[in-house]
Amino acid sequence: GAGVSQSPSNKVTEKGKDVELRCDPISGHTALYWYRQSLGQGLEFLIYFQGNSAPDKSGLPSDRFSAERTGGSVSTLTIQRTQQEDSAVYLCASSGQGTFGGYTFGSGTRLTVV
Amino acid sequence: AQSVTQPDIHITVSEGASLELRCNYSYGATPYLFWYVQSPGQGLQLLLKYFSGDTLVQGIKGFEAEFKRSQSSFNLRKPSVHWSDAAEYFCAVGADSGYSTLTFGKGTMLLVSP
Repeated sequence: GAGVSQSPSNKVTEKGKDVELRCDPISGHTALYWYRQSLGQGLEFLIYFQGNSAPDKSGLPSDRFSAERTGGSVSTLTIQRTQQEDSAVYLCASSGQGTFGGYTFGSGTRLTVV
Repeated sequence: AQSVTQPDIHITVSEGASLELRCNYSYGATPYLFWYVQSPGQGLQLLLKYFSGDTLVQGIKGFEAEFKRSQSSFNLRKPSVHWSDAAEYFCAVGADSGYSTLTFGKGTMLLVSP
């Protein structure tokens, strides 16, 4: 597509439930990134996929968080047993030119855990 | 490890006045530097980037930034601010190693007064 698409745009879930957040990157972009944006905390790196390489999971805050990328395209971020501190905006970005080109971001998914 | 500091959480500027947003980075080699802007409810949009060459870079929407290696700074400037510039601005640093992750500052919220 023309841009990075994320769905849903908003998600309200009950504490303890699992959620899945979807990211559809720009066609042909080999790199895909997930960041979390909490109020006043800037962007926190979560996970990074590049081509067929093993993902860099170094930013995932706990084992309740996982992500996969199917066919080198769409990615799903899964949060199990959600907690209130998981409430944030989850941003996905993709890149076709590496660090040189910067990222193209989606509009994000606002997750609220009640 | 790389890091970014944006010392100002909020800045208020009168419409038509000049603007400078500060960014200091920490990185051991030549950095890739970026400024992004985020309007409410939107993802981040790339304003400009620096990776080598001329230390003064021009971006979209009339913004420019100057890389000063001696000060480890990459400040964003605009000669005359418009009300539509009100948004949150993020500085980011990346390594020039292919598809590295970007490290973001915590952002500066720009408010524009009439």
